[in-house]
Amino acid sequence: QTVVTQEPSLTVSPGGTVTLTCASSTGAVTSGYFPNWFQQKPGQAPRELIYSTSNKHSWTPARFSGSLLGGKAALTLSGVQPEDEAEYYCLLYYGGAYVFGTGTKVTVL
Amino acid sequence: QVQLVQSGAEVMQPGASVKVSCRASGYPFTGYYIHWVRQAPGQGLEWMGWINPNSGGTNYAQKFQGRVTMTGDTSISTVFMELSSLRSDDTALYYCARDPGGNPTFDYWGQGTLVTVSS
Repeated sequence: QTVVTQEPSLTVSPGGTVTLTCASSTGAVTSGYFPNWFQQKPGQAPRELIYSTSNKHSWTPARFSGSLLGGKAALTLSGVQPEDEAEYYCLLYYGGAYVFGTGTKVTVL
Repeated sequence: QVQLVQSGAEVMQPGASVKVSCRASGYPFTGYYIHWVRQAPGQGLEWMGWINPNSGGTNYAQKFQGRVTMTGDTSISTVFMELSSLRSDDTALYYCARDPGGNPTFDYWGQGTLVTVSS
């Protein structure tokens, strides 16, 4: 069974920068896994921020960026705002099937 | 505007089946896949499968094969997800999400449907 692992929690100061990563139990994550990133706040449905590694939607704040880093997918938040406090999930594509990451709770403190 | 509106909360007995609907509006219904994702209380997201409303083609996560059925009705722009042989650990919020195909993206989501399995 494929497992996609993220950091359980990260803390960042307002205005700071934090990078979340997404690792696959099958090996290095490449663009062929089409990594997506979602933000979820309590009581809300997830909202997709990044698709296919680094593509943004019209609603994605400029401070969010996606990349590949050291064999993992990565989401970087630069100039963090208090409203960025949330749970973040990555999603990887495995040839027709998808697996969500374990999630990272980002605290802005 | 794009909207996915799901059916209301359900309380089901163990062993029963539940059928959740997801009605689409604001875009060409047959032009987008629909995924189903669930989230148990306090837990992470779990992908269940997708349906192509145009062809009726489906692809289910291995974990749910044999227990889940996804169907669509193009006349009412609605897809359905039926889960059978319910257990207490099926208690979760069930979401539908739109995907244009090609590069995978889950760009619009329904509001979620809470399914509670309890005797």
